[in-house]
Amino acid sequence: SQTIHQWPATLVQPVGSPLSLECTVEGTSNPNLYWYRQAAGRGLQLLFYSVGIGQISSEVPQNLSASRPQDRQFILSSKKLLLSDSGFYLCAWSGGNYEQYFGPGTRLTVT
Amino acid sequence: GQNIDQPTEMTATEGAIVQINCTYQTSGFNGLFWYQQHAGEAPTFLSYNVLDGLEEKGRFSSFLSRSKGYSYLLLKELQMKDSASYLCAVTRGGGYNKLIFGAGTRLAVHP
Repeated sequence: SQTIHQWPATLVQPVGSPLSLECTVEGTSNPNLYWYRQAAGRGLQLLFYSVGIGQISSEVPQNLSASRPQDRQFILSSKKLLLSDSGFYLCAWSGGNYEQYFGPGTRLTVT
Repeated sequence: GQNIDQPTEMTATEGAIVQINCTYQTSGFNGLFWYQQHAGEAPTFLSYNVLDGLEEKGRFSSFLSRSKGYSYLLLKELQMKDSASYLCAVTRGGGYNKLIFGAGTRLAVHP
């Protein structure tokens, strides 16, 4: 069966510090991968998606970036965090159908 | 562009029936998802409608009218554990299963 992991689960970082969030998927090959952000009380905003290694599409211009160094690894990064980057970050994958499966999420607080 | 509307909050009584509506406007519509999200947790899949009509799955049913840009999620025999946010999301064709989420409806079930 397929599983999706994210870490860390929670993170508190000062403004201006770098960020690296990691997502890995097990039990499937060549998944589509997605990064979402959910601000408090808001819906999910798609940040990035990837259809293959090294292929990243950005949905919203911002100070975040994403990379896919391996088939089942998706990384979200920032060189300098802003207060507005606080939120719940969710990684998801999809296969041959349209359903997306979400990881447990990372709660990021920028202070 | 895309627009997805859902009520922000709803309340209901344990054992009752509640209907959560979702209206959407999007180009290239392919299908509509409903996800359940408990506070602080990742969304979990409830249903996916592509064709017009009602899809029933246990206590939960989902309806879609493509011509009206309208869907609803029907929850029967409400339980306290059904207190959660319910997210409506539309998917468009394009090969990468992109989902556009509404802001979600927070449902509170009272005894």
